[in-house]
Amino acid sequence: GQSLEQPSEVTAVEGAIVQINCTYQTSGFYGLSWYQQHDGGAPTFLSYNGLDGLEETGRFSSFLSRSDSYGYLLLQELQMKDSASYFCAVRNTGGFKTIFGAGTRLFVKA
Amino acid sequence: DTAVSQTPKYLVTQMGNDKSIKCEQNLGHDTMYWYKQDSKKFLKIMFSYNNKELIINETVPNRFSPKSPDKAHLNLHINSLELGDSAVYFCASSLAGTGNSPLHFGNGTRLTVT
Repeated sequence: GQSLEQPSEVTAVEGAIVQINCTYQTSGFYGLSWYQQHDGGAPTFLSYNGLDGLEETGRFSSFLSRSDSYGYLLLQELQMKDSASYFCAVRNTGGFKTIFGAGTRLFVKA
Repeated sequence: DTAVSQTPKYLVTQMGNDKSIKCEQNLGHDTMYWYKQDSKKFLKIMFSYNNKELIINETVPNRFSPKSPDKAHLNLHINSLELGDSAVYFCASSLAGTGNSPLHFGNGTRLTVT
């Protein structure tokens, strides 16, 4: 089957660093992506890893290890506005299907 | 200059009714999708279309009928609505292919069936 596992909730304080892990099991793999969704909003794309290693975009970084079927999203210098749900996602089936994890709800406290 | 727009934003209707949601994208993408997000925020793919052709149908009941008149539009018609259809429905688009082509989501349609 196809599945992605990520923690359901994470809480951190402003200014801290938080890591959200994702393990996946999928037939066919074309990269691991991360999306952010604020309450009442639409998911928005954050980052993509097609190859092993770390990708950095400002305060956000994402890592992939294909041999371990594992990735993570690292958020640094947390701000209150980072409170949202974060989804890992895998693209497969020739690139026409993106499946999402159940999402990690991040609470940032003052 | 909205990239992916879907209407209506809210839809409240009774069981047994038929309703439609429209989606349009102006990004020049060739692939469009419908996703359903339930109350636990789980995002589940329903359909995937590439250049107006149905590519993925994720065992969705045949009460749901998508239609793509051209590659910039993907509509969703739902017959005989049931309570369990209550959810947020997101339209999305992307370029086809296996590289980095992120999904661009519309703002969602919150469907409430009473």
